[in-house]
Amino acid sequence: GQNIDQPTEMTATEGAIVQINCTYQTSGFNGLFWYQQHAGEAPTFLSYNVLDGLEEKGRFSSFLSRSKGYSYLLLKELQMKDSASYLCAHSGAGSYQLTFGKGTKLSVIP
Amino acid sequence: GAVVSQHPSWVICKSGTSVKIECRSLDFQATTMFWYRQFPKQSLMLMATSNEGSKATYEQGVEKDKFLINHASLTLSTLTVTSAHPEDSSFYICSARAVRGGAYEQYFGPGTRLTVT
Repeated sequence: GQNIDQPTEMTATEGAIVQINCTYQTSGFNGLFWYQQHAGEAPTFLSYNVLDGLEEKGRFSSFLSRSKGYSYLLLKELQMKDSASYLCAHSGAGSYQLTFGKGTKLSVIP
Repeated sequence: GAVVSQHPSWVICKSGTSVKIECRSLDFQATTMFWYRQFPKQSLMLMATSNEGSKATYEQGVEKDKFLINHASLTLSTLTVTSAHPEDSSFYICSARAVRGGAYEQYFGPGTRLTVT
């Protein structure tokens, strides 16, 4: 994921809101994905944005700005179980392959 | 829906032996599956794209003769690590592409942890 940047670690308090940012560079674009990955487990799909704007899904929302190469994942009403790595990934135009960022390790504290 | 399974979930093998990992889409057909490798504290790195009925497409730096991929049916892809070495020890994850609501998503299997001694 050399062309995808996201913070390495973040800490937030239970019940709070946290925003995880992701910037990317790609010659073609076919969607921006967010995945959650708990330690030792495979990633699970959270969201997919292909058009600009905000997509809301329960406590999780994802935003995309294609012109800025920028996305964020917003987690509301944080719970301890939200402690995990959050992976930003993009898919290139005409390709279904995903390029992943290194992930942001989120620690939720009481 | 969109469940992907992998078998085995973990395996220990001796250096020089071969290991086969299976990836199955349980409730949908997947014409395309992907194989990733993840080293500790690192991101997922795509190894190859597996297309049903045709040869896999390997990413740069991935030896196709060492990592054999077979996608014989719409629900099964296999990855065989041949002549395994300790440096091949890693977390291997497959994913399958599924169309949901007009958009495609990738669903990941639970992963296979390979340890080569």
